[in-house]
Amino acid sequence: DTGVSQNPRHKITKRGQNVTFRCDPISEHNRLYWYRQTLGQGPEFLTYFQNEAQLEKSRLLSDRFSAERPKGSFSTLEIQRTEQGDSAMYLCASSRRDSEQFFGPGTRLTVL
Amino acid sequence: SQELEQSPQSLIVQEGKNLTINCTSSKTLYGLYWYKQKYGEGLIFLMMLQKGGEEKSHEKITAKLDEKKQQSSLHITASQPSHAGIYLCGAAYSGSARQLTFGSGTQLTVLP
Repeated sequence: DTGVSQNPRHKITKRGQNVTFRCDPISEHNRLYWYRQTLGQGPEFLTYFQNEAQLEKSRLLSDRFSAERPKGSFSTLEIQRTEQGDSAMYLCASSRRDSEQFFGPGTRLTVL
Repeated sequence: SQELEQSPQSLIVQEGKNLTINCTSSKTLYGLYWYKQKYGEGLIFLMMLQKGGEEKSHEKITAKLDEKKQQSSLHITASQPSHAGIYLCGAAYSGSARQLTFGSGTQLTVLP
């Protein structure tokens, strides 16, 4: 069990650029979640996959955000035309059905 | 999240002292999860509580769920510097624990 991994760990970009983050869940977990965390706050839910199907999306996930999980394995989160307000830690988690979620180390995004 | 209130926001204790962190929900809980986070890192799963009156322990950390009050408490006995970090409670409000709603966290400092 190697845990949930995320890449890159840090990303600095200029406003208006597109960025993509990758999450590799624990291998036998069929559920995958994306959260966003800003300084001093708890994580906020963005979206959730069961296998390859994206089943829930938060209102926080604007049209500039898109997430995929092809083949039900790894997932990518893309942010288009980044804004300074997108600066945050992006956390990925995975779980078995109705079980506790295990989190990755996160990707810290800084938009200049 | 206003749905889930954690107290206190921060706590400074001397090594060896006991401490309690509380998490109160404004809505009916389906499940309550406790996580620990080191600054700038991912969340580490501690415990999951699902039934009223349930109590779980791991090493020197005990968590309880009071169904009547929709409240959970996390108690650390004989604190150590290794207990320092941010403690987060996460609530599941649906019948199937998909997205978690997190409190804003409690920053714990343990002085040697």
